[in-house]
Amino acid sequence: RKEVEQDPGPFNVPEGATVAFNCTYSNSASQSFFWYRQDCRKEPKLLMSVYSSGNEDGRFTAQLNRASQYISLLIRDSKLSDSATYLCVVNMRNSGYALNFGKGTSLLVTP
Amino acid sequence: DAGVIQSPRHEVTEMGQEVTLRCKPISGHNSLFWYRQTMMRGLELLIYFNNNVPIDDSGMPEDRFSAKMPNASFSTLKIQPSEPRDSAVYFCASSTARRNTGELFFGEGSRLTVL
Repeated sequence: RKEVEQDPGPFNVPEGATVAFNCTYSNSASQSFFWYRQDCRKEPKLLMSVYSSGNEDGRFTAQLNRASQYISLLIRDSKLSDSATYLCVVNMRNSGYALNFGKGTSLLVTP
Repeated sequence: DAGVIQSPRHEVTEMGQEVTLRCKPISGHNSLFWYRQTMMRGLELLIYFNNNVPIDDSGMPEDRFSAKMPNASFSTLKIQPSEPRDSAVYFCASSTARRNTGELFFGEGSRLTVL
């Protein structure tokens, strides 16, 4: 079983819609949490960190529930340019700075 | 600013041949990571270095894979002999371990096809 699980999608939503992605992780020792974005045939790039109290960056909101080992990403007012794969990422203290990536959730925003 | 530079961008080779992938991390970054991405398994960490020293190579699939980092500005990932199941995109990434912000800077990847 992979340490980080995500629904692969695809999520097809119209422009302007709100969409939410979920992610679960198996290791309760996980310390840090992130969302990365990967465009088709490109490299992954950091979208945002996920803090225990939840955090927001413009149209993007990330939430963490340590008790349930669950992370979420909410995108409001979807844009065509949001179409990409969103990767849930966790880091464990004893893994140094290596990150474990989920397989990603594919989002397609349509006109 | 120069990002992480990987070469070659694409390689097509035949089973049994040796493959060498190269990576130049961002100057000043002291951690370097090799990941492999496939549709089936997603992004998998193969090995990572801190200050040129291999820290964790538990993700290296088998003895056919080896990685080196002879200095702070260069790393190689070698597959010998290559097999069709090694076909994947291999990403190199670097970061500054001083601040664990979670930001890895990835190269554009090396797309390997083994026939």
